[in-house]
Amino acid sequence: SQKIEQNSEALNIQEGKTATLTCNYTNYSPAYLQWYRQDPGRGPVFLLLIRENEKEKRKERLKVTFDTTLKQSLFHITASQPADSATYLCALSNSGYALNFGKGTSLLVTP
Amino acid sequence: KAGVTQTPRYLIKTRGQQVTLSCSPISGHRSVSWYQQTPGQGLQFLFEYFSETQRNKGNFPGRFSGRQFSNSRSEMNVSTLELGDSALYLCASTGQGDTEAFFGQGTRLTVV
Repeated sequence: SQKIEQNSEALNIQEGKTATLTCNYTNYSPAYLQWYRQDPGRGPVFLLLIRENEKEKRKERLKVTFDTTLKQSLFHITASQPADSATYLCALSNSGYALNFGKGTSLLVTP
Repeated sequence: KAGVTQTPRYLIKTRGQQVTLSCSPISGHRSVSWYQQTPGQGLQFLFEYFSETQRNKGNFPGRFSGRQFSNSRSEMNVSTLELGDSALYLCASTGQGDTEAFFGQGTRLTVV
């Protein structure tokens, strides 16, 4: 069955450093991989989307890579800030309309 | 433009009862998806509606059902509630040709 794995342990980093989050998947060949941010008590907010034929995507301080051979995506936040503290979710789909989510990684950025 | 609106925000129900949750998508969006979020299982896809038709379905029992109206508003219904149905239910809308999903704040359902 399809499986999407994200670091289950929280990631604690110091302000100004680069945070790197991992998303691995098995038994899946997604057309799209998306990253969302979720704050407590709120719905997820879309951050970035990368297609299966793309290797890397950037948006401001965010960068996503997608390696379909390794079946892995890396999500980087450069120059991290305490306001970046949240849970980050990886989502895979073939249509964009029915998303399969990982369980998320909690990021804590300390001053 | 207005975001995705879910009502109610909080619900407490008793085992065996049924519940209906409502979702108003972003104006112009015709796709509405529903998700269940629990601490143990994370975010799980329930179903997706497009132009009043269920287009995709997740792996949930038949007690979970939904529908979409001609104005794209959607409802989901859970019958014969179980304690394990306690969760945050999230609705998302997507525009045609887009792949970004816009989520509502969710409905927190507690079954006692």
